[in-house]
Amino acid sequence: GESVGLHLPTLSVQEGDNSIINCAYSNSASDYFIWYKQESGKGPQFIIDIRSNMDKRQGQRVTVLLNKTVKHLSLQIAATQPGDSAVYFCAENETGGFKTIFGAGTRLFVKA
Amino acid sequence: NAGVTQTPKFQVLKTGQSMTLQCAQDMNHEYMSWYRQDPGMGLRLIHYSVGAGITDQGEVPNGYNVSRSTTEDFPLRLLSAAPSQTSVYFCASSYQTGASSPLHFGNGTRLTVT
Repeated sequence: GESVGLHLPTLSVQEGDNSIINCAYSNSASDYFIWYKQESGKGPQFIIDIRSNMDKRQGQRVTVLLNKTVKHLSLQIAATQPGDSAVYFCAENETGGFKTIFGAGTRLFVKA
Repeated sequence: NAGVTQTPKFQVLKTGQSMTLQCAQDMNHEYMSWYRQDPGMGLRLIHYSVGAGITDQGEVPNGYNVSRSTTEDFPLRLLSAAPSQTSVYFCASSYQTGASSPLHFGNGTRLTVT
């Protein structure tokens, strides 16, 4: 079936280092991809998105890269801070579809 | 502007009981959806709605009903709770139908069925 998955369930980084969270997707019809951050006890929060006609998009300290050839998505966080500690989810939408499908999530730990 | 509001925050049910999880948004979003989140898993779509009067099934709809009588409200009903429905439930909305815009989530309802 169609799915979105993550390579690493947990990631531990030193404060100030850059973090890279990876995601693989299998539905070639997906054309919109989103990264969400979920802190403990809260709902997921939108971080950044990218459409399939782009391969890179930058926000404040975050960059999303999309490689459609290998169906791979990554989230890069620059100068990781303790406040970045959370679970990160990638999600995908299919052209004309009404369903946002989520991956299993990666937990990011930031060591001070 | 409260965003997406879910009530209650916590609920304990016995097997076979029924209840309704409430969800309201004040952003005039047409699209609303319900997800469940289980440990070690991502969010799985239960039901969604692209506007008042229109609902459809997601990935895991069995055991749940929804209705959308107004743009603001999208309640989720459990008719006969089962232990397998123990989970954290999230309601979400977005301004654009076709699910091609980011979702705004509530803070969830943690449901335990004994």
